[in-house]
Amino acid sequence: QVQLQESGPGLVKPSQTLSLTCTVSGASISRGGYYWSWIRQHPGKGLEWIGHIYFSGSTNYNPSLKSLVTISLDTSKNQFSLKLRSVTAADTAVYYCARGPGRDGYNSRFDDWGQGTLVTVSP
Amino acid sequence: QSVLTQPPSVSGAPGQRVTISCTGSSSNIGAGYDVHWYQQLLGTAPKLLIYGNSNRPSGVPDRFSGSTSGTSASLAITGLQAEDEADYYCQSYDSSLRGYVFGTGTKVTVL
Repeated sequence: QVQLQESGPGLVKPSQTLSLTCTVSGASISRGGYYWSWIRQHPGKGLEWIGHIYFSGSTNYNPSLKSLVTISLDTSKNQFSLKLRSVTAADTAVYYCARGPGRDGYNSRFDDWGQGTLVTVSP
Repeated sequence: QSVLTQPPSVSGAPGQRVTISCTGSSSNIGAGYDVHWYQQLLGTAPKLLIYGNSNRPSGVPDRFSGSTSGTSASLAITGLQAEDEADYYCQSYDSSLRGYVFGTGTKVTVL
């Protein structure tokens, strides 16, 4: 069973960089077959795909966030990370890491999710 | 704002059937991209409920079913149970936005 766990600061000041890490167990990021994603949910709102990374290091980002986002991976630790620069209050959200999309490419889904971590942007 | 529109809420008595619509466009559902559905219980992460328009992952009761038609998709819950009270989201890919998109979400209330 694949498990994902987000970690990182729960409070970030405006204009600073939000940094989160997702630790994966039960599957090897370096094995391939799946992309590894970050998704966020603003309080009381819907879900927003942020971007994903493949074991090769290839990334794809939501065009609306692309200029501010970097996703990277550390295969030795079976982890992948999110950096979101120049945050504002509008970036306050629960951030989820997820396994997916998979081999179906554009037809794919997000099979497994972490429990999520709330990040608040406030002075 | 999401490009996949869902009704904010639906409700039904135990045992009844409810349906949730997910309305898209020619750049997502209408383009033939698969639709997937997630269930989010209060305070928890979303869980995959239906994939590939109409397939259930192992462990998901057959009370849940999905379908697509044109630029829309639907999730049906038959024999509604108290444990089905949750938020439900559809998800697909949008070629215009060049990314994965989610629906606006629907809260299901069991009366």
